[in-house]
Amino acid sequence: EAGVTQFPSHSVIEKGQTVTLRCDPISGHDNLYWYRRVMGKEIKFLLHFVKESKQDESGMPNNRFLAERTGGTYSTLKVQPAELEDSGVYFCASSRTGNQPQHFGDGTRLSIL
Amino acid sequence: GDSVTQMEGPVTLSEEAFLTINCTYTATGYPSLFWYVQYPGEGLQLLLKATKADDKGSNKGFEATYRKETTSFHLEKGSVQVSDSAVYFCALSDYAGNNRKLIWGLGTSLAVNP
Repeated sequence: EAGVTQFPSHSVIEKGQTVTLRCDPISGHDNLYWYRRVMGKEIKFLLHFVKESKQDESGMPNNRFLAERTGGTYSTLKVQPAELEDSGVYFCASSRTGNQPQHFGDGTRLSIL
Repeated sequence: GDSVTQMEGPVTLSEEAFLTINCTYTATGYPSLFWYVQYPGEGLQLLLKATKADDKGSNKGFEATYRKETTSFHLEKGSVQVSDSAVYFCALSDYAGNNRKLIWGLGTSLAVNP
């Protein structure tokens, strides 16, 4: 089966611009997670979807971040407007149920200049 | 809140050396414990897991035992190879409630020299 796919692999934008990251989970996986790793820090949870519903969004940094999962398939994470501190690697993961291990994509490296 | 502490890297070893990467955790419930690995240029891959006390996870020659009494989940391998060079992450997830998120350690970079 195809793994978790993330687009783009790398994005470089200027402060104040908008960027949208996309994640395609493994087919049939209802659970989708977003995480972020800022340089030098641990990987941090952002939010968790079950199908199209947000189960837990306690890790979202602020209202400049908007995550969607229309139709319960792929998900997008939009940052608007981007700030310097948003730079990092954004990981997406999926699992078939909430009790099963999460499978990760390769991540999107976001650089804000 | 829940947390994971990993030994700091980088760790540099010669091929065939013994590897230990320490991981300890704090958790209010009964978490599942994981080791993930990130090879250069790749994403995070699940290496092994343990879901209850005294469970031993193993994969690719790596092992880790869930020690509730010492709240530890140390990663070990008897003989490392150059291909094991990667960043290793310890993580926990508390499945007891609705909280499914993974809590991560900082990661430990391992370099194995031939």
